[in-house]
Amino acid sequence: GQQVMQIPQYQHVQEGEDFTTYCNSSTTLSNIQWYKQRPGGHPVFLIQLVKSGEVKKQKRLTFQFGEAKKNSSLHITATQTTDVGTYFCAVVNYGGSQGNLIFGKGTKLSVKP
Amino acid sequence: DAGITQSPRYKITETGRQVTLMCHQTWSHSYMFWYRQDLGHGLRLIYYSAAADITDKGEVPDGYVVSRSKTENFPLTLESATRSQTSVYFCASSESSTGGWSGANVLTFGAGSRLTVL
Repeated sequence: GQQVMQIPQYQHVQEGEDFTTYCNSSTTLSNIQWYKQRPGGHPVFLIQLVKSGEVKKQKRLTFQFGEAKKNSSLHITATQTTDVGTYFCAVVNYGGSQGNLIFGKGTKLSVKP
Repeated sequence: DAGITQSPRYKITETGRQVTLMCHQTWSHSYMFWYRQDLGHGLRLIYYSAAADITDKGEVPDGYVVSRSKTENFPLTLESATRSQTSVYFCASSESSTGGWSGANVLTFGAGSRLTVL
C-alpha cells in the first residue's frame, strides 16, 4: 500500500524562528492533505494540494506540492507559541477495496517563548 | 465540533477483556475510519467503512473487529485486549464525493478515546 515519509520527527525552535516539515513519497500522488494536532487534541484539517507545483498560503503557513507530485512541504514563518503541535501529511491509498487516507508519522513542533 | 462523538473518552481495562469503543456522527457521512495513535508511529489506520455494511481492513487490523449496521455508528471492538493495544483511538468521518473515495475527501476527527490495557 501507499506510504509516505515525513521528516523531521521532532523540531524545537525559538519563537520567531521558521519551521519546515517535509513529506516524501516514492510514487506519484494524486493529492496531499495536511492536518494539525494540538497537544491533547485531535487532528484538524489544514489544507489540500492537488496540482503539480501548487503553492498555497494561510497567513504564516506556506504549503507546497512538488513538481513531480512526490513530495510536499509545510513552512511556518516566524513561529509563535500557538503553532505548537504535531503536523501530519496524509495521502490517498487505494490498497483496500475502498480508498482511504494514510498519514505520515508527523512532525512534532515545540516553540520556546 | 459535536458532529462526531467518541465514547468512552478514557477507559482502563485488563488483558483479555472485551472492549468496545463507540463512534457516532450526525452528518450522515458515508465514510468512517478508525485510527490508533502511538508515539513514534503517528496515525495508523485500523479499519474503515465506505457505507453501512461495507468495511475494510487498514494497516493494523489484527485484534480488532468493526461493524457498521447504521450509517451514523461505527463501533470498534477489541475482542481480547492486549497491552500492545494501549493507545489513543481516533474515529473520523468524511462525506463521499461523486464516484466514491477520491482522496480529496477531508476527514473530521472525533476527540479520541484513550485506552489503557493493564
